[in-house]
Amino acid sequence: AQSVTQLGSHVSVSEGALVLLRCNYSSSVPPYLFWYVQYPNQGLQLLLKYTTGATLVKGINGFEAGFKKSEASFHLTKPSAHMSDAAEYFCAVSGSGSARQLTFGSGTQLTVLP
Amino acid sequence: GAVVSQHPSRVICKSGTSVKIECRSLDFQATTMFWYRQFPKKSLMLMATSNEGSKATYEQGVEKDKFLINHASLTLSTLTVTSAHPEDSSFYICSASSFRTTQETQYFGPGTRLLVL
Repeated sequence: AQSVTQLGSHVSVSEGALVLLRCNYSSSVPPYLFWYVQYPNQGLQLLLKYTTGATLVKGINGFEAGFKKSEASFHLTKPSAHMSDAAEYFCAVSGSGSARQLTFGSGTQLTVLP
Repeated sequence: GAVVSQHPSRVICKSGTSVKIECRSLDFQATTMFWYRQFPKKSLMLMATSNEGSKATYEQGVEKDKFLINHASLTLSTLTVTSAHPEDSSFYICSASSFRTTQETQYFGPGTRLLVL
């Protein structure tokens, strides 16, 4: 069984400030981890993913995430927030089994203040 | 690459009618497609998983006779909401994956907003 917890349903940062969105997961098998972004009335866009290898993963739009097995975490960061980063962010986990289904966190709404 | 489209993007229908939503992978062959439902300000709820050429696997609590899924080719899956009722109004999102080439990554369509009157 897998689960994902995103701490903070709403996060507000000032433009130019650090963005930190938290994600903790539970998985009985080595996980694949993903961050997706959703803009209003749109589907999900893949920001980045961790499968194996380097624990610091770089994604699009300046985002990166660090996989820490000891903490079961996969937090998303960006050094400097832009107004265009305002959106809903979802962390997700999938196992390596045949189903390959994604389990999503509840999402974090990021607001960027001018 | 890895573009997924959905059609229509928005549909309004009368209660009791059926609505078909198409999901297409435009630049890759999708061995597996997933259908999700998303309620306002909520996360995605997986409805079913479909593999090309075989019957869909539905999640617990999802009525297979109401939400008909067909995955007839490696680039097309359809979701038909039969005898739609107002409670079926929602945002439906599909995703597609080719586990042979995209390393377990799902690529999502833009979603379809269904409103049942």
